[in-house]
Amino acid sequence: GESVGLHLPTLSVQEGDNSIINCAYSNSASDYFIWYKQESGKGPQFIIDIRSNMDKRQGQRVTVLLNKTVKHLSLQIAATQPGDSAVYFCAENTGGFKTIFGAGTRLFVKA
Amino acid sequence: NAGVTQTPKFQVLKTGQSMTLQCAQDMNHNSMYWYRQDPGMGLRLIYYSASEGTTDKGEVPNGYNVSRLNKREFSLRLESAAPSQTSVYFCANSRLAGTDTQYFGPGTRLTVL
Repeated sequence: GESVGLHLPTLSVQEGDNSIINCAYSNSASDYFIWYKQESGKGPQFIIDIRSNMDKRQGQRVTVLLNKTVKHLSLQIAATQPGDSAVYFCAENTGGFKTIFGAGTRLFVKA
Repeated sequence: NAGVTQTPKFQVLKTGQSMTLQCAQDMNHNSMYWYRQDPGMGLRLIYYSASEGTTDKGEVPNGYNVSRLNKREFSLRLESAAPSQTSVYFCANSRLAGTDTQYFGPGTRLTVL
């Protein structure tokens, strides 16, 4: 598989448990935030996004929380499944064309 | 990665060789992007194209050139490859600029010896 994600923070969870992946963003002017999932050997895949006028957004089994006070973003995955194993990274955008991507967190799901 | 194709999937070059990475999207989106991804680092923007006929530099443009051939296609060229350009390259597109979801291709893994 890809060598993407060497030396990344790692989160290991039991199948069926909830996962929480955290991200600190850098720019207080950022107003659009996105979570991506990247499986080995594949391109990043959009999971969920949130704009700065919200503090919570829910999707299917995923919830994103935004705390602008401390510039913190989190992704919650409910009832984590083996297929959720991947690298997850957050991204921030201030409205222009240049999105800043984090390096990511590797999620391992134990069966 | 449906809707975005990249060729080739893998490539090995010698220092000084040139090559073009191809990207095509069938999503009818206006904006297209080229990123590189290195181990332990976030994606870094090389070049982007806001719309057909325009291109602009991103964070790490040195050593690369791009062409937005039409609305569907956006190519990345390495004129004289260097070992520092060993990376995984991703093409992406979005319907609108910036604050819009980006859709990524499957990537090209490039090794420069």
